[in-house]
Amino acid sequence: GAGVSQSPSNKVTEKGKDVELRCDPISGHTALYWYRQRLGQGLEFLIYFQGNSAPDKSGLPSDRFSAERTGESVSTLTIQRTQQEDSAVYLCASSPGLVGSYNEQFFGPGTRLTVL
Amino acid sequence: AQSVTQLGSHVSVSEGALVLLRCNYSSSVPPYLFWYVQYPNQGLQLLLKYTSAATLVKGINGFEAEFKKSETSFHLTKPSAHMSDAAEYFCAVITNTGNQFYFGTGTSLTVIP
Repeated sequence: GAGVSQSPSNKVTEKGKDVELRCDPISGHTALYWYRQRLGQGLEFLIYFQGNSAPDKSGLPSDRFSAERTGESVSTLTIQRTQQEDSAVYLCASSPGLVGSYNEQFFGPGTRLTVL
Repeated sequence: AQSVTQLGSHVSVSEGALVLLRCNYSSSVPPYLFWYVQYPNQGLQLLLKYTSAATLVKGINGFEAEFKKSETSFHLTKPSAHMSDAAEYFCAVITNTGNQFYFGTGTSLTVIP
């Protein structure tokens, strides 16, 4: 089936505007992750959803960042009042999410966010 | 706490030469270790993973990695580099207590013709 998809692929916005990034995970994957990848840096964990459990929000850098997921489907990452430091590639990944089975994460192509 | 350290943010090798990308992990419990590759303008894809079976793990595209508990290492190797191997490589660790991955900062591999 299809892999993880993300939209838009590129987003340019002005400082102070809100943006929404979308992730469509692989069908049937219960776990979904958001990461941020700044230029030349590694992946920074943002948030993790597992089924209907409360999400792990420990990686969100500020209260301007939030994410939602409806059931085990689409997720949206919202950044309010964007700042130039938010410029990065935002990666989404999904996994079958079976705790103890150490499944790999399947990554989407990312959304490149540029805040002017 | 779990973490991985990738030594060398940039590695250059000649085409046909050995590729060695270093990864050391820190984990208080038995880890499960992964190498991912990111080609330009693409998402990450799994190269190989160690999940406590054989310590020498073979992955795609001729890559392999050896888990060495005594050295807390999981270095990635390939006997002969190809131009198509030029990419960013990430080491990651997950523990058997959860599903959260911890990624290294990545190593950019350049292959010189």
